[in-house]
Amino acid sequence: SQTIHQWPATLVQPVGSPLSLECTVEGTSNPNLYWYRQAAGRGLQLLFYSVGIGQISSEVPQNLSASRPQDRQFILSSKKLLLSDSGFYLCAWSVPGRRAEKLFFGSGTQLSVL
Amino acid sequence: GQSLEQPSEVTAVEGAIVQINCTYQTSGFYGLSWYQQHDGGAPTFLSYNGLDGLEETGRFSSFLSRSDSYGYLLLQELQMKDSASYFCAVRADRGSTLGRLYFGRGTQLTVWP
Repeated sequence: SQTIHQWPATLVQPVGSPLSLECTVEGTSNPNLYWYRQAAGRGLQLLFYSVGIGQISSEVPQNLSASRPQDRQFILSSKKLLLSDSGFYLCAWSVPGRRAEKLFFGSGTQLSVL
Repeated sequence: GQSLEQPSEVTAVEGAIVQINCTYQTSGFYGLSWYQQHDGGAPTFLSYNGLDGLEETGRFSSFLSRSDSYGYLLLQELQMKDSASYFCAVRADRGSTLGRLYFGRGTQLTVWP
């Protein structure tokens, strides 16, 4: 069966510090991968998506970047965090094709930038 | 762009049936999905209704009117554990293998005993 791992669960970082959130998927090959952010009491905002190794697309211009160094590994990064980067970050994967809208989410990272 | 509107809160009693509405405006449309999220948890897939079919889970069913850009999620035999946030999401990538989803702000469902 497929599983998705996301860490850390909670992170408190000072403004201006770097960020690295990691996500790995097991039990499937060549998944579509996504990073979403959720502000408190709000919906999920799509940040990045990837259809393959090294292929990253950004939805909104921002202070963040993403990388996919391996087929089932997705990393969200920032060189210098801003207060506005605080939020709940969710990694997700889906099977490419007809049911690609069926997303499987990781348990999320609650990021607080102080 | 995409925009989705859903009520911010809905309340109901245990055993009842509740409907959560969603209206959407998108530049393209492939399907409408629904997800459930408990506080602090990961969203989980409930239902998909779109151009290539329908998928539903357990007591959750969905309706879609493409002509009205409207859909709803129907929850039957409500249980206390159904208290959660429910999100509608549209997939706009027709003809693509990519499932980019754009989510509404969510509806907080509270189930009373």
